[in-house]
Amino acid sequence: DGGITQSPKYLFRKEGQNVTLSCEQNLNHDAMYWYRQDPGQGLRLIYYSQIVNDFQKGDIAEGYSVSREKKESFPLTVTSAQKNPTAFYLCASSIGRAGGDTQYFGPGTRLTVL
Amino acid sequence: GQNIDQPTEMTATEGAIVQINCTYQTSGFNGLFWYQQHAGEAPTFLSYNVLDGLEEKGRFSSFLSRSKGYSYLLLKELQMKDSASYLCAVRDRYDMRFGAGTRLTVKP
Repeated sequence: DGGITQSPKYLFRKEGQNVTLSCEQNLNHDAMYWYRQDPGQGLRLIYYSQIVNDFQKGDIAEGYSVSREKKESFPLTVTSAQKNPTAFYLCASSIGRAGGDTQYFGPGTRLTVL
Repeated sequence: GQNIDQPTEMTATEGAIVQINCTYQTSGFNGLFWYQQHAGEAPTFLSYNVLDGLEEKGRFSSFLSRSKGYSYLLLKELQMKDSASYLCAVRDRYDMRFGAGTRLTVKP
């Protein structure tokens, strides 16, 4: 079965700690994305990657970091510099970044910083 | 600027038809997507429009007017399981811009 997995589903961390969210896909997609979803707002793009070993900042990259060492994996680190990290984080992938390339989403990780 | 607007909430009755509107202003246009998202879950792809007109997929249809910056998602024969948020998203050149979503409640 092809798909996108994210783990864990729920994550609790203390303020000031870095935390890494996992995202894996076996769809053979080149492009991967991280979004943040907050109540009453649309999904906002944190980072994206079009190809292995390359990634670009999205609209709200401050306080986050990513890596793309393998095609299948695009982990997101939420650092202590992120002022308001509590949110629902969604990872997505697509064949490429052309107009009609549909993005498919993982199940999400809900991060709560205490 | 870039703006994607859709109603915050809608309520409809089981078996009825509901239309969810989306208006957009983006710096470019490479297609409009609709996603369904149940609470706490991943958005799932429903439809894609890049040319003007209506695309029909079973009980769901999506319409696009590029000149008006307008789309709607039409859901027919509503079922209780259709209670969810519906996200309108526009690809400007490469990036997807998402609306805040419309939370649809289907009542018996």
